[in-house]
Amino acid sequence: ETGVTQTPRHLVMGMTNKKSLKCEQHLGHNAMYWYKQSAKKPLELMFVYNFKEQTENNSVPSRFSPECPNSSHLFLHLHTLQPEDSALYLCASKDRSGNTIYFGEGSWLTVV
Amino acid sequence: KNEVEQSPQNLTAQEGEFITINCSYSVGISALHWLQQHPGGGIVSLFMLSSGKKKHGRLIATINIQEKHSSLHITASHPRDSAVYICAVPLYSGGGADGLTFGKGTHLIIQP
Repeated sequence: ETGVTQTPRHLVMGMTNKKSLKCEQHLGHNAMYWYKQSAKKPLELMFVYNFKEQTENNSVPSRFSPECPNSSHLFLHLHTLQPEDSALYLCASKDRSGNTIYFGEGSWLTVV
Repeated sequence: KNEVEQSPQNLTAQEGEFITINCSYSVGISALHWLQQHPGGGIVSLFMLSSGKKKHGRLIATINIQEKHSSLHITASHPRDSAVYICAVPLYSGGGADGLTFGKGTHLIIQP
């Protein structure tokens, strides 16, 4: 238990669906991240939020839309995804000192 | 952007053996992370180090900033150490809340 909670843990969605992934941390961290891990590929940064402001978009397609309403919550809204978007989506947060990064358990997404 | 190379990609060893995993990166960094990922997907931060050496139990991490190289060692390895070990560094050399870039990971299996 890292203190970063992701829901749902598993999601199956059709290519025309709209769904959202949720991440929550009450660790007092101000930096939150979305990462993607596809099969046989390394983890890849998607978005960075710092004090609720997006500071990094790592060339992510617009069918992925992040939202950070406050420093404790981070969402990833999904719409018109492709089967190749099937992956493990990991949320993470970092403390002020930057010494430790805390990952959630991840959301396994399957697009059919 | 920083790039990370890890070796070996796969490693199978007998219980009790001394394990070494290597990581090299391309751009100067402020700190490097070693992470552990279990089959369920969850990731745990093992170390963050910016110089020298750190030890936690049977795990030892070293870094040589000049050579842009780090190693993770496991002493007296045990089957419960079986996991994927991932090296990560800041995506950009500025560090801060920029997010991380990751190696492909080393899949370690310790046989009883």
